Amino acid sequence: GAGVSQSPRYKVAKRGQDVALRCDPISGHVSLFWYQQALGQGPEFLTYFQNEAQLDKSGLPSDRFFAERPEGSVSTLKIQRTQQEDSAVYLCASSLWGDRETQYFGPGTRLLVL
Amino acid sequence: DQQVKQNSPSLSVQEGRISILNCDYTNSMFDYFLWYKKYPAEGPTFLISISSIKDKNEDGRFTVFLNKSAKHLSLHIVPSQPGDSAVYFCAASAPRGGSNYKLTFGKGTLLTVNP
Repeated sequence: GAGVSQSPRYKVAKRGQDVALRCDPISGHVSLFWYQQALGQGPEFLTYFQNEAQLDKSGLPSDRFFAERPEGSVSTLKIQRTQQEDSAVYLCASSLWGDRETQYFGPGTRLLVL
Repeated sequence: DQQVKQNSPSLSVQEGRISILNCDYTNSMFDYFLWYKKYPAEGPTFLISISSIKDKNEDGRFTVFLNKSAKHLSLHIVPSQPGDSAVYFCAASAPRGGSNYKLTFGKGTLLTVNP
């Protein structure tokens, strides 16, 4: 079956530009997660959705980061006025539910801010 | 402050031998631990997990050991195969506050299995 897909796979942005990253979770998965992975680091939690409800956004680094999942399936992570420190791989994961269920990761979007 | 530490950035072993990847954690509230494997240009893939009520969990060639008193876990791969070459991430979650879905990852260890 289809796994988690993300688009674009690569994005180059000029500093100050807004970007939108898309995640298509596994069909039927209730929970969706976004992680940020900086170079040489492990993934770091950004935010968590259960269906369309954003239940945890404690990991979002600033108010320039905004995530939505309006119909409970596809999610978009938006970064406004990008900065160089936003350069990272953004990983999306989904799971059937949330609690201790296996999280299935997409391939990530590599964002480079110049 | 890193709560999950993988102190070896890389490990190289011969095919057929045992690979041992180590992970230490500082947060005593962690009660569920996972290992993920990551190939280049792909997302992490779940490998094996262990709950804090156990000290060992096996799945085929993969065994995870948990030492709660030492706040240490390890992943053993026996026998190692060239296809096991990847970055391995240790991750943990805590039950407190209802956020047991939130995974805290280590920095990863690059395993290279030489034919």
